[in-house]
Amino acid sequence: DAGVIQSPRHEVTEMGQEVTLRCKPISGHNSLFWYRQTMMRGLELLIYFNNNVPIDDSGMPEDRFSAKMPNASFSTLKIQPSEPRDSAVYFCASSLGRSTEAFFGQGTRLTVV
Amino acid sequence: AQTVTQSQPEMSVQEAETVTLSCTYDTSENNYYLFWYKQPPSRQMILVIRQEAYKQQNATENRFSVNFQKAAKSFSLKISDSQLGDTAMYFCAFMRASGAGSYQLTFGKGTKLSVIP
Repeated sequence: DAGVIQSPRHEVTEMGQEVTLRCKPISGHNSLFWYRQTMMRGLELLIYFNNNVPIDDSGMPEDRFSAKMPNASFSTLKIQPSEPRDSAVYFCASSLGRSTEAFFGQGTRLTVV
Repeated sequence: AQTVTQSQPEMSVQEAETVTLSCTYDTSENNYYLFWYKQPPSRQMILVIRQEAYKQQNATENRFSVNFQKAAKSFSLKISDSQLGDTAMYFCAFMRASGAGSYQLTFGKGTKLSVIP
């Protein structure tokens, strides 16, 4: 298995632009997580899906952030409009069932200038 | 809500020596899992070791072992025979194991470990 695949690996965009991050979880996994990593705040959960349904989105910073999981093999995290403070590494992770190991993608390093 | 605290922002160890990374957590849950993840400069998050709270025996994975003290809510990681490839950020993480709602991983702030040749 190729593991969790995220794209792009790096994204540089101008303030105000829309940014879409993509994730393909491991086949067969039914839980998907989006995390954001910054020096100041560490790793924070943004949103958690179970069987394609958002279960916990309390970590989504504000209305500028939205996430979708249209099917079991694809998820997106969208930021519109982007701001410099959104600059971070965004990780997608997936797991099989509850309380099992979460496998992480390589992350997307987002820079908003 | 759960919190995870790693009190050592940075540590260093000589190659082939042993080092222990500390982690404490706070929770009202009785059933949960604890993890140590490694993040090398490549940025990839890699699971190092996992402990189920209901198990009294400490988990071991080759050179990596934990000291799990449930009453004290402590979960330290011991790395034996340190290797240069162990240089990385190490994150302690908590996940609840039962009940409804979210099963997110809650992470500590991390410990940056440097293995010195």
